Amino acid sequence: QVHLQQWGAGLLKPSETLSLTCAVSGGSVSGYYWTWIRQTPGKGVEWIGEINPHSGYTNYNPSLESRVTISADTSTKQLSLKLNSVAAADTGVYYCARGSGGLRPLYFYGLDVWGQGTTVTVSS
Amino acid sequence: DIQMTQSPSTLSASVGDRVTIACRASQSIRNWLAWYQHKPGKAPRLLMYKASTLESGVPSRFSGSGFGTDFTLTISSLQPDDFAIYYCQQYNTYSWTFGQGTKVEIK
Repeated sequence: QVHLQQWGAGLLKPSETLSLTCAVSGGSVSGYYWTWIRQTPGKGVEWIGEINPHSGYTNYNPSLESRVTISADTSTKQLSLKLNSVAAADTGVYYCARGSGGLRPLYFYGLDVWGQGTTVTVSS
Repeated sequence: DIQMTQSPSTLSASVGDRVTIACRASQSIRNWLAWYQHKPGKAPRLLMYKASTLESGVPSRFSGSGFGTDFTLTISSLQPDDFAIYYCQQYNTYSWTFGQGTKVEIK
């Protein structure tokens, strides 16, 4: 059974860089898209972006694209999220999740495996 | 961005009730819609994709319908394990968006 374990700094000051890691166990990272999603008080549930580790393809939410980097290390089966220049509006719970590989939207079958979430607070 | 609007925001119901949650898209998303269940402190759970395709392992009391802009998630007979928050998600475009959630609480 695939399991996603997340970790990262939970308390940041404004202008710092959010850095989270999502480790995949019980399955492969290849053949899937890996997504980061967050839930904030201001915007609710928000898609941040995704990566296909096999192709290196990334796709970001246009509203966050200038500050976000999603990467993957297939050798360690870890996904990474970096969000720079954080502000209070970035406070929330961040999730990694797995989506099916293949042409979208025809071969997207939902986000079927999720991490437990990491709470991030941005405060001075 | 496509805006997703769910209604109601909160729904009070009893065990055994039939429950329907609505999700409306600001423009047509064909049937590229997923539903998730989320309980506090737990990982969200995929219920449905392509508007009406039940994810493996999800009880058959859950069903989905709709096409274009209007969608529904129905729980035919609410069970104690179903009290949670439900979200819809569109994936018609390359910038996915979610509804604001519907909380199903005990009446």
